[in-house]
Amino acid sequence: GENVEQHPSTLSVQEGDSAVIKCTYSDSASNYFPWYKQELGKRPQLIIDIRSNVGEKKDQRIAVTLNKTAKHFSLHITETQPEDSAVYFCAASSTNFGNEKLTFGTGTRLTIIP
Amino acid sequence: DAGVTQSPTHLIKTRGQHVTLRCSPISGHKSVSWYQQVLGQGPQFIFQYYEKEERGRGNFPDRFSARQFPNYSSELNVNALLLGDSALYLCASSSTDEQFFGPGTRLTVL
Repeated sequence: GENVEQHPSTLSVQEGDSAVIKCTYSDSASNYFPWYKQELGKRPQLIIDIRSNVGEKKDQRIAVTLNKTAKHFSLHITETQPEDSAVYFCAASSTNFGNEKLTFGTGTRLTIIP
Repeated sequence: DAGVTQSPTHLIKTRGQHVTLRCSPISGHKSVSWYQQVLGQGPQFIFQYYEKEERGRGNFPDRFSARQFPNYSSELNVNALLLGDSALYLCASSSTDEQFFGPGTRLTVL
């Protein structure tokens, strides 16, 4: 089955600096890679996703890159703000409509230092 | 437009009991998935249902079962509860590959 590794497990950055979280996956059939943000006691929220036919996707201060050959994908947050502090999870799935099992990474606790 | 809803919010049970958790997907979504999130870890896939049929099952014992109703809502049942079943149980609904999570049910087994 799919295995997703995520690092670092914790990350502290100064407000205004950039943060990068990296994930690797094992199943070459995986074709959908979402990122979720989870604040303490809250549900995971989908913040951005990328599909295997795209190498990069950007949404305001958030971007995701995908390297299918190396089976790597990364989350980039620029101009970080205190409200970006949360746990971030990457995930992977081989989507076949009606059968979308997400395999999650172990999470990165991001702390933005004011 | 309502998001995914789950009930109850919190639940406390003792070992050996059974529990039923409920989920209502986003209107128009026909697929519901269940995940278990133990404190400090990422969600682990338990089941996926689409059009009332089981489409996937994670590495969980037979004590875990689920079903989906004609209105696409779903129930997760866990029998013979163990201490290790204490976790946040998340339901996610989807119409394509994007999955949107409900607020979860926090289950504590004493």
